[in-house]
Amino acid sequence: AQSVTQPDIHITVSEGASLELRCNYSYGATPYLFWYVQSPGQGLQLLLKYFSGDTLVQGIKGFEAEFKRSQSSFNLRKPSVHWSDAAEYFCAVAAYSGAGSYQLTFGKGTKLSVIP
Amino acid sequence: GAVVSQHPSRVICKSGTSVKIECRSLDFQATTMFWYRQFPKKSLMLMATSNEGSKATYEQGVEKDKFLINHASLTLSTLTVTSAHPEDSSFYICSARETGVGANVLTFGAGSRLTVL
Repeated sequence: AQSVTQPDIHITVSEGASLELRCNYSYGATPYLFWYVQSPGQGLQLLLKYFSGDTLVQGIKGFEAEFKRSQSSFNLRKPSVHWSDAAEYFCAVAAYSGAGSYQLTFGKGTKLSVIP
Repeated sequence: GAVVSQHPSRVICKSGTSVKIECRSLDFQATTMFWYRQFPKKSLMLMATSNEGSKATYEQGVEKDKFLINHASLTLSTLTVTSAHPEDSSFYICSARETGVGANVLTFGAGSRLTVL
């Protein structure tokens, strides 16, 4: 079964500083990988996804992520964090469950706090 | 882009009553919808997979008689929490998968916060 590990439960950065959120996955085949962001009391918003091709993926809000198969990682990065980026971030891997269906398995999330 | 609407966004009910949460795909058809539950400071836990026109597939440990799922059309799935108790208080999120091209991405609703008194 697939699994996702986000080693950092809570990260605090200063506004304007760079950010890297770690994600490691376990899946037997080529994974479909996602990063979602959840603001307090809100649902999930897709930041970016990786299916195939270029291992450096660009997303919304200035985020990018790099797929490294050798390390089973899909870390999320942003060069300069804004106060509005404070939220919870979830990494997820999609596994094919048959008959054209996919299921997402989520990591436990990393809460990002931004210091003004 | 694809939009999924959940209603209500917040609901408070008395213990022992039933609550229905709707999940609608607004501009696409979804043969498959997923229901998740999110505990405080925890990740999302998949509760069940809802398939249009057939019975839902429940994950291990989820009571199918307590969490009734109906997916009667290609744009609507409902989750009914029957005889709710305080321990059912949680944030419930649905997601829908577009049928056809680009079907590898799920679109999530904004969630429904259930508080059982």
